[in-house]
Formats: sequence, C-alpha cells, structure tokens
Amino acid sequence: DAGVTQSPTHLIKTRGQQVTLRCSPISGHKSVSWYQQVLGQGPQFIFQYYEKEERGRGNFPDRFSARQFPNYSSELNVNALLLGDSALYLCASSAGTGMNTGELFFGEGSRLTVL
Amino acid sequence: GENVEQHPSTLSVQEGDSAVIKCTYSDSASNYFPWYKQELGKRPQLIIDIRSNVGEKKDQRIAVTLNKTAKHFSLHITETQPEDSAVYFCATESTGFQKLVFGTGTRLLVSP
Repeated sequence: DAGVTQSPTHLIKTRGQQVTLRCSPISGHKSVSWYQQVLGQGPQFIFQYYEKEERGRGNFPDRFSARQFPNYSSELNVNALLLGDSALYLCASSAGTGMNTGELFFGEGSRLTVL
Repeated sequence: GENVEQHPSTLSVQEGDSAVIKCTYSDSASNYFPWYKQELGKRPQLIIDIRSNVGEKKDQRIAVTLNKTAKHFSLHITETQPEDSAVYFCATESTGFQKLVFGTGTRLLVSP
C-alpha cells in the first residue's frame, strides 16, 4: 500500500515567488492536514481539510492557502515567499472523522528553500 | 493558546539504559496524546499514543503515562538500542480542534 506521497521533494525559490506543494493521502483517507517544520522545531499546524472543506487553520498569514480535491488529494499554496518560509512542509492524512483527527500518517515532506 | 513544553531537549544514554521524556501542556481540553519518532531526514512516525481516559499504555519497550490533573505525560523507553536514536516529539489534540500541537522535540542518542 502506498503511504502519503508528496511532491516535489525539494525545491528552491526566491523571495516574492509563489509555490504549490502537492499531497496524495493514503487510499481511503478523507482527511488531509498540512504542517510546517522549521529546522530544529516541532511541526506546526497550517491547515486541515476533510471532505474538501477546511476544518481548521493555524496561525499563518493569508499568503498560505490550500484546497482539497474530489479525490482527496490536496495542494498547499504559498504566495509572496519570505526567507522565513524556508522549511519542511509535511502533509498528513488520517482516517479520522468528526471531532478528532485520529492517527496522522505523514509524508516525507517537501523541503522548501527560499533565497 | 495551546502550548506544549518538552524536556529534555537532548538526552544521551548508554545502550540498555532507560530513557524518559516529559511533556507538559496547557489546554485542559486536550484528550489525545501521541508520540512521534523522527529519524534524520525522515517523516515523523507514530510510536505510541494515549487517550485521556487511560493513565498508562505500554507497547513492548515503549510506554506512555498520563497525569491529566498535573497536565503532563511522559514517554518511557526501556532497554534502549542504537536504533532508538532519533528526535522524539510529543503532541496534544483537543476535542473539537482537528490539529496536533507538537512539543519542541527531544534528540535521543543511544551509544553502543
């Protein structure tokens, strides 16, 4: 069984550019979450989508947006990149429904470097 | 807002020793407490979790204890092995909030 897959694995952008990161959840999982992990820190919650609807949003600026498609895959978009956006972006899927996320299964992440 | 503190930030032990990592949290509504292991350059992987209606859970060499009154929970690894070397993160989740709040991580080094 394929786990959570993310693309691209690595990318380099310059300040002011825009980036789109993609995620395919584990088959059967309808919940997708995005986390940002800065080097040396724990993952920080950005978004959670369930059945194509945004269910939660972390403390990130409006430059960050996301969406979930009918096949439950998801995209994270970041506009007007800043140096501080350099991080590992982790996508996680879950079979959880209702009020709690349940066990999260993480992808390998997309490492974004902003120069 | 929610806050999870994790200690120690680094922990060095000899193979065969026990390791204990502790986390405290601020949100009294927290009801789910997972622990993730992240090896260098790899994804975080769930190693054990506990819900608020349980005080302790064990899985082979790994155990987690929860004290809801004091708002802290701990990871215990016995008979450590070099392959246990990694960064360990605790996390919390509250009812009605579909997100995990992670601690700052503990780098565990097990020396042979």
